[in-house]
Amino acid sequence: DAMVIQNPRYQVTQFGKPVTLSCSQTLNHNVMYWYQQKSSQAPKLLFHYYDKDFNNEADTPDNFQSRRPNTSFCFLDIRSPGLGDAAMYLCATSRDVITLGQQFFGPGTRLTVL
Amino acid sequence: AQSVAQPEDQVNVAEGNPLTVKCTYSVSGNPYLFWYVQYPNRGLQFLLKYITGDNLVKGSYGFEAEFNKSQTSFHLKKPSALVSDSALYFCAVRDDGSTDKLIFGTGTRLQVFP
Repeated sequence: DAMVIQNPRYQVTQFGKPVTLSCSQTLNHNVMYWYQQKSSQAPKLLFHYYDKDFNNEADTPDNFQSRRPNTSFCFLDIRSPGLGDAAMYLCATSRDVITLGQQFFGPGTRLTVL
Repeated sequence: AQSVAQPEDQVNVAEGNPLTVKCTYSVSGNPYLFWYVQYPNRGLQFLLKYITGDNLVKGSYGFEAEFNKSQTSFHLKKPSALVSDSALYFCAVRDDGSTDKLIFGTGTRLQVFP
């Protein structure tokens, strides 16, 4: 089945130690998104890739970076995690014009910062 | 700017009773509206969407939503609630920009009691 996969599902890191979360998709969608979600709040969009074009949200801290080496994979890098970065990180995809706004979400990675 | 509002933080309903989770929207242009459900430690699962056509939209797991243009509402409904429907529900609207960004409501926690 076509899907969005996130690895790992649970990640523990130390304060200030860089961490990378990964997302892959078999849907061949051209748009990929990264969201941060804290304790039952609405997901907060960090950035998205429209094909290879990177689009950062205005309030996304510089501590968060992203890479998309090809259509299928997208990575979220947190350069120096703080305690406030502990959250669920969600990856999602869509296909421009085709999915008309519907996004397909992965299961998420729960990040703990010690 | 597009926005959605979910006026209830939590909805409680007895199993077997009908349920309604409320959502109102504010858009410029035609609304593309979505409902997603989130179970604990999971990503968001798509339930249904309204793009155009019939005002009553049927979705997954027996859910449906009624698009009401005059009241600018898109309430989620189910005729008979199940305990397993207990989850966090998000209403969303497609952003009016050139991409498929979604604007989420604050979420409503549905609790179905046996």
